[in-house]
Amino acid sequence: QQQVKQSPQSLIVQKGGISIINCAYENTAFDYFPWYQQFPGKGPALLIAIRPDVSEKKEGRFTISFNKSAKQFSLHIMDSQPGDSATYFCAAGGGADGLTFGKGTHLIIQP
Amino acid sequence: DAGITQSPRHKVTETGTPVTLRCHQTENHRYMYWYRQDPGHGLRLIHYSYGVKDTDKGEVSDGYSVSRSKTEDFLLTLESATSSQTSVYFCAIRAQANYGYTFGSGTRLTVV
Repeated sequence: QQQVKQSPQSLIVQKGGISIINCAYENTAFDYFPWYQQFPGKGPALLIAIRPDVSEKKEGRFTISFNKSAKQFSLHIMDSQPGDSATYFCAAGGGADGLTFGKGTHLIIQP
Repeated sequence: DAGITQSPRHKVTETGTPVTLRCHQTENHRYMYWYRQDPGHGLRLIHYSYGVKDTDKGEVSDGYSVSRSKTEDFLLTLESATSSQTSVYFCAIRAQANYGYTFGSGTRLTVV
């Protein structure tokens, strides 16, 4: 049973464009929704996170939009750069028993 | 990553042999986690610990055991390795007071 569904699996965006990755969750007990960025050969690194009491959080070029009623959240990367090329994972959690991850999106930013 | 170290970084082992992976932290965080990462599956939780000697199973715990005798060390053991356990294993730590998870650099395990 997959509790966090992530789309698309892969995404190609031109430099300067907006990259959008979407996730949907099922468990209403989740109360923490982070996004992780992973480069080849490295561990996932926290990019940005949001709690369900807000609908949007922005940090630099990265924005999370959160829709509690639809149980969906998304990552927007503005002015996408080649250095943003990586795999992105959404996740959801609510307690001591860890995060549930989406399957990942391989993002390529073309120069 | 600062504060969390996984060893070894790479290991090749034969089917049927026991294997132990180590996660060491210097942050004194209460919570520690073992995940495996496979293409098309994202990261899946194997086991986690919420204190010394306190552990619990995750989504994909079959064939794995863990131990935590000290706050700083969380060991993952494959009692009899199988080819299906070929994967990249990540350890993560989390402080009690917040939800920030920090991941290690991973161990690439190949079972031949």
